[in-house]
Amino acid sequence: GAVVSQHPSWVICKSGTSVKIECRSLDFQATTMFWYRQFPKQSLMLMATSNEGSKATYEQGVEKDKFLINHASLTLSTLTVTSAHPEDSSFYICSAQEEETQYFGPGTRLLVL
Amino acid sequence: ILNVEQSPQSLHVQEGDSTNFTCSFPSSNFYALHWYRWETAKSPEALFVMTLNGDEKKKGRISATLNTKEGYSYLYIKGSQPEDSATYLCAPTPEYGNKLVFGAGTILRVKS
Repeated sequence: GAVVSQHPSWVICKSGTSVKIECRSLDFQATTMFWYRQFPKQSLMLMATSNEGSKATYEQGVEKDKFLINHASLTLSTLTVTSAHPEDSSFYICSAQEEETQYFGPGTRLLVL
Repeated sequence: ILNVEQSPQSLHVQEGDSTNFTCSFPSSNFYALHWYRWETAKSPEALFVMTLNGDEKKKGRISATLNTKEGYSYLYIKGSQPEDSATYLCAPTPEYGNKLVFGAGTILRVKS
């Protein structure tokens, strides 16, 4: 149980385009999901908390207009990187909370050319 | 901002060796401590969630202890196997169900 999928697993896009990443809880419902980013040789850093039916809460320094989060159902949250630039290239990973545990997806590697 | 430190950064052991790693975190404003195992190309796997000072949890050959007063947790692996090779992450959270603050991880490589 407690499986989280993420799609796509990797994506290459041109600078200026937008990229959408999906995070799904497959066998449980999650009121709260989280989005993290990991730069090379660094820790996972929380970007935002996604709450079903309400606006996401962004961490300090994360641009909400650049990283659009939608949590329209109890099993799906999406992260859209708008007008992506090379500095947005990173590893993005989501988690979904069930009770006290966050269950993670496998992550998405984004490369912006 | 929580300062979470994990040591060692990496560890190479022989199959059958027992090993342990440390996670240090500020003891104030603490709610829970999470341990994850992260194998390459897979999702991080939740190992333990610990909240009480003195907590000890066990899952197979892996166990963990928690000292909230001094701000540290130990993860132990008994009789390491090659399949234990992974990055082990700890993440304290200062409030319920929110804001995991990850350490940089300990990379474990077990040689057969």
